Amino acid sequence: AQSVSQHNHHVILSEAASLELGCNYSYGGTVNLFWYVQYPGQHLQLLLKYFSGDPLVKGIKGFEAEFIKSKFSFNLRKPSVQWSDTAEYFCAVKYSSASKIIFGSGTRLSIRP
Amino acid sequence: DTGVSQNPRHKITKRGQNVTFRCDPISEHNRLYWYRQTLGQGPEFLTYFQNEAQLEKSRLLSDRFSAERPKGSFSTLEIQRTEQGDSAMYLCASRTPQGGVHEQYFGPGTRLTVT
Repeated sequence: AQSVSQHNHHVILSEAASLELGCNYSYGGTVNLFWYVQYPGQHLQLLLKYFSGDPLVKGIKGFEAEFIKSKFSFNLRKPSVQWSDTAEYFCAVKYSSASKIIFGSGTRLSIRP
Repeated sequence: DTGVSQNPRHKITKRGQNVTFRCDPISEHNRLYWYRQTLGQGPEFLTYFQNEAQLEKSRLLSDRFSAERPKGSFSTLEIQRTEQGDSAMYLCASRTPQGGVHEQYFGPGTRLTVT
């Protein structure tokens, strides 16, 4: 079945620490990959996306993600987090055979000031 | 571009009552999606419209749920005979008709509480 897994449910970091959030998707052919972020009290916003080309994708606010096809992974990274990065992060995949986006269960990121 | 809007933002209803939510997509976005999000989970797909045509429905969408997009602009999601398990955030998203651009823009959601 087409699915997305986020292995970290809650991550707690100190400011300036480096961040990596894991995301794996099940095999299903050609994919488009997304990371969405939901800040407290706000709606889902697109952080970055991969459609094709360079597997290293840069997004807003210093975030980047790397698509590793052989590992079915699309991990999110940021070299130095800030308190304002406190939010819930969702990995999502759209398979070319489908119209919907499938979301992972999310990772809650808490940053200690 | 005012973004995707949803009304109401919050709805509290008693079990057995009917509720209706509205979504106004970004203008000129011909594709519209409904999702449901429960606590601690990511959004789950419910249904999808291209213009006024409902092209896909999830198995999550029981017979008590119905969605419409009569003129290809705004959409409504109705839940009949609500149950406590229907309590969730209902999200709407829209997408441009441009080929190859698959990102969806989300609204703020309608939080439903069934008592």
